[in-house]
Amino acid sequence: NAGVTQTPKFQVLKTGQSMTLQCAQDMNHEYMSWYRQDPGMGLRLIHYSVGAGITDQGEVPNGYNVSRSTTEDFPLRLLSAAPSQTSVYFCASSLQGYSGNTIYFGEGSWLTVV
Amino acid sequence: AQTVTQSQPEMSVQEAETVTLSCTYDTSENNYYLFWYKQPPSRQMILVIRQEAYKQQNATENRFSVNFQKAAKSFSLKISDSQLGDTAMYFCAFLPRVAGSYQLTFGKGTKLSVIP
Repeated sequence: NAGVTQTPKFQVLKTGQSMTLQCAQDMNHEYMSWYRQDPGMGLRLIHYSVGAGITDQGEVPNGYNVSRSTTEDFPLRLLSAAPSQTSVYFCASSLQGYSGNTIYFGEGSWLTVV
Repeated sequence: AQTVTQSQPEMSVQEAETVTLSCTYDTSENNYYLFWYKQPPSRQMILVIRQEAYKQQNATENRFSVNFQKAAKSFSLKISDSQLGDTAMYFCAFLPRVAGSYQLTFGKGTKLSVIP
């Protein structure tokens, strides 16, 4: 059981480049989300999805785009990378978002924008 | 909007001793969940313990227990018999139990060091 898988684990981007962080879960979870973690901060929600075809914004959505074409996958796209997007990104999933089911996190993706 | 405050940026404890990490939160919701997550140097987020606000009994998981004071909006984590593997960042998190509310709100974390 792989759980939540994120790729790549490390990435260096130049300002203005675009890229996609991949996230996949094999637990048939309805709810998936992306968080970012900056130094000295807790995790902050970027975007989330409550099922295939349904996405919504979190606390810090600017500069990011998401889609949910399948239950398993929830990619995060950086449209035009900026140094302020240097962060560690976590994908998370749970059976249902608000019911308090255990939220499973991926191992994180370290992104540096130069 | 909810806020979560962890007032202890860093703490240390001797191996085998007990330590308590503090967390307070602010919300107008009556039904919610509270969590403690552990983040070791590997950065993996690991769920330590979960508390449901409508349950008066404090949650326990082996050496980990919480002191949940709903009226005071306080949710502290007690680690007994501390082990070297407990060295990590610990985050307190809040989740409203409301349909359409999906955002975990995290505190800024407490860095715990267990000293041999």
